Amino acid sequence: EIQLLESGGGSVQPGGSLRLSCAASGFPFHSFGMTWVRQSPGKGLEWVAAIAAAAGRTYYADSVKGRFTISRDNSHDTLYLEMSRLRPEDTAVYHCAKVFLRGSTTGAVIWRLDPWGRGTQVIVSS
Amino acid sequence: DIVLSQSPPILPVTPGEPASISCRSSQSLLHSNGYKYLDWYQQKPGQSPQLLIYLGSNRASGVPDRFSGSASDTDYTLKISSVEADDVGLYYCMQGLQTPITFGQGTRLEIK
Repeated sequence: EIQLLESGGGSVQPGGSLRLSCAASGFPFHSFGMTWVRQSPGKGLEWVAAIAAAAGRTYYADSVKGRFTISRDNSHDTLYLEMSRLRPEDTAVYHCAKVFLRGSTTGAVIWRLDPWGRGTQVIVSS
Repeated sequence: DIVLSQSPPILPVTPGEPASISCRSSQSLLHSNGYKYLDWYQQKPGQSPQLLIYLGSNRASGVPDRFSGSASDTDYTLKISSVEADDVGLYYCMQGLQTPITFGQGTRLEIK
């Protein structure tokens, strides 16, 4: 069974930092792209970042570019999201998901987010 | 960025009746490889989203055949042939043709 388990969420003041982790099991982690998607309370889904299988290529939403860094450790089947200069609008549940991903002239083509982890809550507040 | 417009925002349905959710894209989601990069996700209350349909019309593993997806280049439809009580929740379309990935605003399916 494929499992994704996020951790590292918590409460932080504006301007602070957090590092989220996503532990993967049940599939060849090194062969798949991965992504982070967040969901604010009572709101919809917002894509945050994605990373190719070999970790050489990364992609970001404009709202987090320059503040968040996605990375992966294929030897430990773990995905990361390093978040800095956090803002109140970054408050959300952060989900990781396994994806199909291919680079393209317009960034990346990404499809079939499956499965999703249960998420980890991030609260940015003073 | 590609904008996805979903409708209706709320969909009350009687069990046993069909249901349909529309997702309209601001531009074609047809790639030069012939695939249409539009997925559908279901989020049941208290759960994380789950993949229902990928590449416009392909049912994900384990998804009942009551669910189907149809697609033109910019207009996409999720259909449930016979709604069950377990189908209650939020439904989102998502385009993956280009980054940033974008989602529709969501449709809340309710049981009458």
